Amino acid sequence: DVVMTQSPLSLPVTLGQPASISCKSSQSLVYSDGNTYLNWFQQRPGQSPRRLIYKVSNRDSGVPDRFSGSGSGTDFTLKISRVEAEDVGVYYCMQGTHWPLTFGGGTKVEIK
Amino acid sequence: EVQLLESGGGLIQPGGSLRLSCAASGFTFSNCAMNWVRQAPGKGLAWVSAISGNGGTTHYADSVKGRFTISRDNSKNTLYLQMNSLRAEDTAIYYCVKEPYTTSFGWFGSWGQGTLVTVSS
Repeated sequence: DVVMTQSPLSLPVTLGQPASISCKSSQSLVYSDGNTYLNWFQQRPGQSPRRLIYKVSNRDSGVPDRFSGSGSGTDFTLKISRVEAEDVGVYYCMQGTHWPLTFGGGTKVEIK
Repeated sequence: EVQLLESGGGLIQPGGSLRLSCAASGFTFSNCAMNWVRQAPGKGLAWVSAISGNGGTTHYADSVKGRFTISRDNSKNTLYLQMNSLRAEDTAIYYCVKEPYTTSFGWFGSWGQGTLVTVSS
């Protein structure tokens, strides 16, 4: 199975400051069609997960442009340019390239 | 608007069976592969099972293979998860998750609100 390793586990951030979450996969996530199926999800307290980013860097409709995704191969990053109060929650990366589909362990973003 | 409404969760004894349902609306159900994803209390997300749009292809996590069966009824726009031989470690919120195409997997664009399954004596 592809292991997805996120860091840090917890990320205290000051409002208005940037935040960065790392996600590393144990195998390359490049699929045979040339695409890299790496998603990022946000789960606010008490809510279902919501996809923010698909295929590494494509932002979903309605997602603020302060969220951005980057990376390639086995190394990926989610960045929040200026953290707002509504960004509190747990963030997960997930690979859709290899069976079984696997998630990272999650990064909890909280306000300092 | 895509809507996914899970139901069927509850308290069940170890070794028991339960069938979850996910009623879909707001899109052409038969054109979209579907998944079940679970989240144990206070823990992270774990993919459980997937099924193609016509139901002809299924995938399972090793942890549930042989015990859980995913299926769908496209005439009723409903996804199912039959769970047998339930164990305490199956306790989780189970989410229904939509894919964009009939045989595309791993996009996870839309999620339901989840249904809680508790396996305990």
